[in-house]
Amino acid sequence: QSVLTQPPSASGTPGQRVTISCSGSSSNIGSNTVNWYQQLPGTAPKLLVYSNNQRPSGVPDRFSGSKSGTSASLAISGLQSEDEADYYCAAWDDSLTWVFGGGTKLTVL
Amino acid sequence: EVQLVESGGGLVQPGGSLRLSCAASGFTFSSYEMNWVRQAPGKGLEWVSYISSSGSTIYYADSVKGRFTISRDNAKNSLYLQMNSLRAEDTAVYYCAAEPVTGGFYWGQGTLVTVSS
Repeated sequence: QSVLTQPPSASGTPGQRVTISCSGSSSNIGSNTVNWYQQLPGTAPKLLVYSNNQRPSGVPDRFSGSKSGTSASLAISGLQSEDEADYYCAAWDDSLTWVFGGGTKLTVL
Repeated sequence: EVQLVESGGGLVQPGGSLRLSCAASGFTFSSYEMNWVRQAPGKGLEWVSYISSSGSTIYYADSVKGRFTISRDNAKNSLYLQMNSLRAEDTAVYYCAAEPVTGGFYWGQGTLVTVSS
């Protein structure tokens, strides 16, 4: 049971906009920033969004993050087949641990 | 560019020990906080341990507290994880992750630890 709650799956067709949610509590998302990671099949995770809505160099602006209260969201616009991957949210928890969501498997139909 | 290369994984019997290493390059290692994160086969990501840039502050997940020890050598640009009293449930790919002050983790490629008799 993960501390942060994500839907186990999401899907969309090429070109569509898809949103993945991440729900936490006052001790993690409510008081700290959220990061998002993309894990392509058989590879290590990759930083997609940090500090709620910042993209590292090289990450397309099709990916955007937002946060409100104790929840966060990752939006992917102009969906492409190469976006098919697992997506994880993460936040620091005031109990002095990093907590992750259980992951969302994105399928491009 | 942040580059992290883990090593030291392998097959170990329950109750045994293993030491993982992570060699860092492409960034100022001594300025980054570091973490270990693991992923059991077919499962999600689980944070294991954190160490501050100077090594003075350390945190562990409850699942490994008292059994695992994180350390770093800034002169050698290296991060370590000493794992003792290993259990079957510790079987996972272990990732080294660098954490800049701006936020987020940059990941290595991982090393597989299998605990089995």
